[in-house]
Amino acid sequence: NAGVTQTPKFQVLKTGQSMTLQCAQDMNHEYMSWYRQDPGMGLRLIHYSVGAGITDQGEVPNGYNVSRSTTEDFPLRLLSAAPSQTSVYFCASSYNMGEKLFFGSGTQLSVL
Amino acid sequence: SQQGEEDPQALSIQEGENATMNCSYKTSINNLQWYRQNSGRGLVHLILIRSNEREKHSGRLRVTLDTSKKSSSLLITASRAADTASYFCLPGAQKLVFGQGTRLTINP
Repeated sequence: NAGVTQTPKFQVLKTGQSMTLQCAQDMNHEYMSWYRQDPGMGLRLIHYSVGAGITDQGEVPNGYNVSRSTTEDFPLRLLSAAPSQTSVYFCASSYNMGEKLFFGSGTQLSVL
Repeated sequence: SQQGEEDPQALSIQEGENATMNCSYKTSINNLQWYRQNSGRGLVHLILIRSNEREKHSGRLRVTLDTSKKSSSLLITASRAADTASYFCLPGAQKLVFGQGTRLTINP
């Protein structure tokens, strides 16, 4: 099993550009989530999903959209990137919500 | 949201000593998890303790949970340089929100 795969690993955007961060898991996990981590800080929950077709907002959802059309994939979309969205983004999944989370290796995003 | 708050924010000890970190939370939980993060990498799951458990061991790790005080502790015994990392607790609630973590430094 590959586990949780995030792409790309690095990305530089200009203010106002849009992009999608990809997250895929091959463990048949129902729960998937996105976090961002700013330097020296903890992780903040952006959006999460408890199953295909179901998504909900986390602590800091503004500026981000998600969808969950399949169990395996949970993409995170930035519609109009802002410098405040410069961060490291982590995707995590678990069999069910509240169980052991498996993390991807992260995407380092810089918005200029 | 149910955010765990770790204490202390930073801890520096000598190799071989024990390290204790604490976590407090505010509402009822089903379980509580501890994670480790090395140098900005993805978090790695260490241990999960359920609300009906008081203590759990895994290798050099010992976790306690006191639901009456809404607190948990993580003890790392006989610390090693490789234990240098940030440690986070995750209370099991409706939204899985991490706190700021404890930055542990093991000095040789």
